[in-house]
Amino acid sequence: DVKVTQSSRYLVKRTGEKVFLECVQDMDHENMFWYRQDPGLGLRLIYFSYDVKMKEKGDIPEGYSVSREKKERFSLILESASTNQTSMYLCASTIQRGLGFWDEQFFGPGTRLTVL
Amino acid sequence: SQQGEEDPQALSIQEGENATMNCSYKTSINNLQWYRQNSGRGLVHLILIRSNEREKHSGRLRVTLDTSKKSSSLLITASRAADTASYFCATPASGGSYIPTFGRGTSLIVHP
Repeated sequence: DVKVTQSSRYLVKRTGEKVFLECVQDMDHENMFWYRQDPGLGLRLIYFSYDVKMKEKGDIPEGYSVSREKKERFSLILESASTNQTSMYLCASTIQRGLGFWDEQFFGPGTRLTVL
Repeated sequence: SQQGEEDPQALSIQEGENATMNCSYKTSINNLQWYRQNSGRGLVHLILIRSNEREKHSGRLRVTLDTSKKSSSLLITASRAADTASYFCATPASGGSYIPTFGRGTSLIVHP
């Protein structure tokens, strides 16, 4: 069964802490994504990766970094967490079937992060 | 780079009724996808429709695409309480990346 897993369902951190969110997929997908979801704003892309060690900024990369050392794992890092990063974080993976044509995305269950 | 927007933002119906939600987008696309999200969970893919298709069915779901109007609709027939969820359309971003971008979603409540 296809699966994307995220390291935590709920996470509470303090302002200034370094936070790691881990995502693992078992489908051998090249492409992986990190989104954040806030009420009224929908899903916004933070970063995506199209291969190991490759990454591209999304719409809201400020305050975040990512790491993709292995194909199956994509990590989101909050270098110094702030209260405005309290949100639901969703990881996804997919295959790209051709230029400009993305296949269905498989999402993890999400991590609800609270920064106090 | 956000393309699609769903309408209405919220929809409340009785079990057994049909639910229709719409997605409008701004620039040409090669495909459009619909997803469902149950409360507090990840998104689940429902259906993908290509730009050369006008209609697609999957069980009780019917998706249409009108490229001339840059719009799509998702129809859920004979709704059930279990259909209560948020529904999102995803379209390739404008500007060359083509990465799927999501609207704000339609929140559907189906009353038993």
